[in-house]
Amino acid sequence: AQSVAQPEDQVNVAEGNPLTVKCTYSVSGNPYLFWYVQYPNRGLQFLLKYITGDNLVKGSYGFEAEFNKSQTSFHLKKPSALVSDSALYFCAVKWSGAGSYQLTFGKGTKLSVIP
Amino acid sequence: NAGVTQTPKFQVLKTGQSMTLQCAQDMNHEYMSWYRQDPGMGLRLIHYSVGAGITDQGEVPNGYNVSRSTTEDFPLRLLSAAPSQTSVYFCASSFEGSGNTIYFGEGSWLTVV
Repeated sequence: AQSVAQPEDQVNVAEGNPLTVKCTYSVSGNPYLFWYVQYPNRGLQFLLKYITGDNLVKGSYGFEAEFNKSQTSFHLKKPSALVSDSALYFCAVKWSGAGSYQLTFGKGTKLSVIP
Repeated sequence: NAGVTQTPKFQVLKTGQSMTLQCAQDMNHEYMSWYRQDPGMGLRLIHYSVGAGITDQGEVPNGYNVSRSTTEDFPLRLLSAAPSQTSVYFCASSFEGSGNTIYFGEGSWLTVV
């Protein structure tokens, strides 16, 4: 079984400050990890993913995430938050083995960037 | 570049009615899937398909039916709508392979009264 935990339902950060949205996962074997963002009444947009290689992954809109195998974490970060970053963020995990089709999502973290 | 297209965007159904949510993708993706999104629960997989003629159940398949007659289309059928099926439904697609990015449609908001 695979699972994802996003321990914070909401994160508030001031504009210009660094932001972190936390994610921990559980999966048998090596994980593939993803971050998606959802704006109100819209679909999910892909931000970034970790497949293999460098533990620091860079993605869209200045976001990055660090894969930490020992802590089974994949926290999303951005050095300087923008008001337009306010949205719902989802972390997701998939087992890397053949025939793995199910992407398991966390419950989401609502990010509010305060002007 | 249409990507994943879902229709309708919004729908209200009465309990017991049936309906079909349409999904089409123009990226020649082998893999297609349907998720539902409920508050505080993230997204949960309903059904998926790895190619035309091949479908399988996900985490929450009860009350839903799917078929995949073409690579492009993957409709989701609600057989007899129940208030518990009030949700936001997302269709998604990707190339086959665990590491490939899954792309989502804009969603279908369904209310069952």
